Amino acid sequence: DVKVTQSSRYLVKRTGEKVFLECVQDMDHENMFWYRQDPGLGLRLIYFSYDVKMKEKGDIPEGYSVSREKKERFSLILESASTNQTSMYLCASRLAGTGGGTDTQYFGPGTRLTVL
Amino acid sequence: GENVEQHPSTLSVQEGDSAVIKCTYSDSASNYFPWYKQELGKRPQLIIDIRSNVGEKKDQRIAVTLNKTAKHFSLHITETQPEDSAVYFCAATDPFSGGYNKLIFGAGTRLAVHP
Repeated sequence: DVKVTQSSRYLVKRTGEKVFLECVQDMDHENMFWYRQDPGLGLRLIYFSYDVKMKEKGDIPEGYSVSREKKERFSLILESASTNQTSMYLCASRLAGTGGGTDTQYFGPGTRLTVL
Repeated sequence: GENVEQHPSTLSVQEGDSAVIKCTYSDSASNYFPWYKQELGKRPQLIIDIRSNVGEKKDQRIAVTLNKTAKHFSLHITETQPEDSAVYFCAATDPFSGGYNKLIFGAGTRLAVHP
């Protein structure tokens, strides 16, 4: 059974702080994703990584960066947190490839970040 | 790029009734359409998916239909139960994401099933 975990369920930070959100998966998945979830907007992709040290911008990368030094771990970094980054952050992973059950993205439990 | 619209945003039904949620997508090259269910306070979980070479797929009380010509797909839940209450998200692959299967999500539908 795929397990995706995130470092915190709830986080409160102040404007201007550097924030690290971490995601770990235990199924040797190549692809990992960071989304933010806001009411009425669904899930929007911030960044994804298709393998170790590889990353691609998603649809809303501004104000964020990522790091993938090990296959199982994908970190989202808010360089200087702002109030408009208050949101639910969801990590996901999937096996690389197409078809044959590789399509499914498995999500972590989410981190609710509040920036004051 | 791909755009996915989902309707309705909220849906209230009586237990035992059917529920239908519809999504439209913009890029005819999208080839994979999953549906995720997110219960309150929990992570989204895949409940059913369909590929573009199939018109319909069913799994017990849930089914998904795909109309490629009209570029829309729908989730059908029959004999709804209170435990079906959740937010449902549709998604479509971004055809420009190559083998990475990047998903574009709809805004979500909050389904409430009343006993």
